[in-house]
Amino acid sequence: GAVVSQHPSRVICKSGTSVKIECRSLDFQATTMFWYRQFPKQSLMLMATSNEGSKATYEQGVEKDKFLINHASLTLSTLTVTSAHPEDSSFYICSAIVATDTQYFGPGTRLTVL
Amino acid sequence: GENVEQHPSTLSVQEGDSAVIKCTYSDSASNYFPWYKQELGKRPQLIIDIRSNVGEKKDQRIAVTLNKTAKHFSLHITETQPEDSAVYFCAATPGSNYQLIWGAGTKLIIKP
Repeated sequence: GAVVSQHPSRVICKSGTSVKIECRSLDFQATTMFWYRQFPKQSLMLMATSNEGSKATYEQGVEKDKFLINHASLTLSTLTVTSAHPEDSSFYICSAIVATDTQYFGPGTRLTVL
Repeated sequence: GENVEQHPSTLSVQEGDSAVIKCTYSDSASNYFPWYKQELGKRPQLIIDIRSNVGEKKDQRIAVTLNKTAKHFSLHITETQPEDSAVYFCAATPGSNYQLIWGAGTKLIIKP
């Protein structure tokens, strides 16, 4: 149980384009989903907290207009990187919880912006 | 806000020996402390967790201890094996929104 999927696993795009990443909880309804970014050899950096049906809460320093988060249902949250630039290249990981502390992670999406 | 410090950044041990990774936290309200193992390019995997009402928890070769007074918790891996090589992260949850505050990670290297 508690499986989280993420799609796509890897994406390469040109500078200036937008990229959408999907995060799904497959066998449970997630009350909250989190979006992280991880640069090589670094820890996970929380970008935003997403609750179904409400606006995401962004961490300090994360541009909400650049990283659009939509939590349309209890099993799906999407992160759209708008007007991507090479410095946005990173490993993006989502996680989900269901009314407890334990976070279940998706497999991550490797974004490369050329 | 909460701050989690993790040491060491790199730990190299001989196969079969024990490994200990330590974390300290600053917010006394933190009540949940998970440990994650992350292999290169993969998702973090929960290996063990402990809550503030418990001092120690063990699962086969892995154990976690928590000292609430000193605000530190440790991961202990006994009889290390090559497959234990990975980056290990500690984390703490300071509030009711279930956000995790992460340590910087420890790269564990098991020497054959």
